[in-house]
Amino acid sequence: KNEVEQSPQNLTAQEGEFITINCSYSVGISALHWLQQHPGGGIVSLFMLSSGKKKHGRLIATINIQEKHSSLHITASHPRDSAVYICAESSLRDDKIIFGKGTRLHILP
Amino acid sequence: EADIYQTPRYLVIGTGKKITLECSQTMGHDKMYWYQQDPGMELHLIHYSYGVNSTEKGDLSSESTVSRIRTEHFPLTLESARPSHTSQYLCASSVAGNYGYTFGSGTRLTVV
Repeated sequence: KNEVEQSPQNLTAQEGEFITINCSYSVGISALHWLQQHPGGGIVSLFMLSSGKKKHGRLIATINIQEKHSSLHITASHPRDSAVYICAESSLRDDKIIFGKGTRLHILP
Repeated sequence: EADIYQTPRYLVIGTGKKITLECSQTMGHDKMYWYQQDPGMELHLIHYSYGVNSTEKGDLSSESTVSRIRTEHFPLTLESARPSHTSQYLCASSVAGNYGYTFGSGTRLTVV
């Protein structure tokens, strides 16, 4: 069983919609990561957070340590946001990252 | 602007060939990682290094080997490629203490 669960697995939305992707994890973490992977495979690190909330442009990431849950929000979504969004945790046990399976987001123009 | 470079970007190679996937970073990061990712699946750690002359196997069994002779360079070698090695291989680096990771663009390997 993957220790990092994401939902939904796939999401299609219209341009302009507010997008939420959820992530749940089961073990104590030192940090929670949100990554973006475009077709072609390159990965970009969007956020790393251990508490509270972070914002970068139209992207917002939140984390609730007590509930072991994080969300990634995209405001005013755009077709160029279409990508796979991956949640990952850095475990307290070691420095290695455990990845979720990703959420495939498709924004229609 | 990428600070971690992987080459080649794409590689098609015959069964039995020896191949080396290159990964270099210019950030002086101590930690480097190799991940394997099959299409539509999550990334799995196959090797990692905490510094020069340090290499460890990851969570996913792999027939590849790595070396870390220089801080900036972390090549991955397959001595005898097989079709089961067809996958995407992603290199990443980080500073000590989990202060964020930087990923390379990946090498998409096809073994025929």
